[in-house]
Amino acid sequence: DAKTTQPPSMDCAEGRAANLPCNHSTISGNEYVYWYRQIHSQGPQYIIHGLKNNETNEMASLIITEDRKSSTLILPHATLRDTAVYYCIVRGGTNAGKSTFGDGTTLTVKP
Amino acid sequence: GAVVSQHPSWVICKSGTSVKIECRSLDFQATTMFWYRQFPKQSLMLMATSNEGSKATYEQGVEKDKFLINHASLTLSTLTVTSAHPEDSSFYICSARRGGGPAGNTIYFGEGSWLTVV
Repeated sequence: DAKTTQPPSMDCAEGRAANLPCNHSTISGNEYVYWYRQIHSQGPQYIIHGLKNNETNEMASLIITEDRKSSTLILPHATLRDTAVYYCIVRGGTNAGKSTFGDGTTLTVKP
Repeated sequence: GAVVSQHPSWVICKSGTSVKIECRSLDFQATTMFWYRQFPKQSLMLMATSNEGSKATYEQGVEKDKFLINHASLTLSTLTVTSAHPEDSSFYICSARRGGGPAGNTIYFGEGSWLTVV
């Protein structure tokens, strides 16, 4: 699996959009970008995934650059409950299923 | 949506004893499950890949005789920490892969199990 690089921490004001970047410059053609988040003492929660097109669901939007070397997770209206560690993972191909977690970004949503 | 359940959620055991953690896929069959370990303030580290009906594949540095993995059915994988020591205290998380192609969200994580060895 390709490695990912994320900023270690970010702050966001409650109600504002949170934009979390991720670099995955070594991503291969058959790998998807996945985002998970982990709230303290819980297992990772799936947020969204994409291959090359931008994606949106009820939780977030995912913007993937045209060269697929980076992506941004957007939480449109962050709430205090969105405070968590966010992990960007690339996965697919013959190792599909095996997830290599980087250090993630600790997002703190402040009132 | 798909659910993966772990049991127990937390366990305390004495040093030298063995403890078993279960990972179940509740509404789908999982031919492959994965076990992770997470120490406080660290990221998840993959320990092993559990394959139904065959031996698990362990990551480098993980002792297979200490962390026994059994995947006896399509909905259950177990991790047994043998002769546990305080340094084995950690948060253990499993994930299960729902059958299908390599793409898409086919991976679901359990809630995790806290192990404390005293």
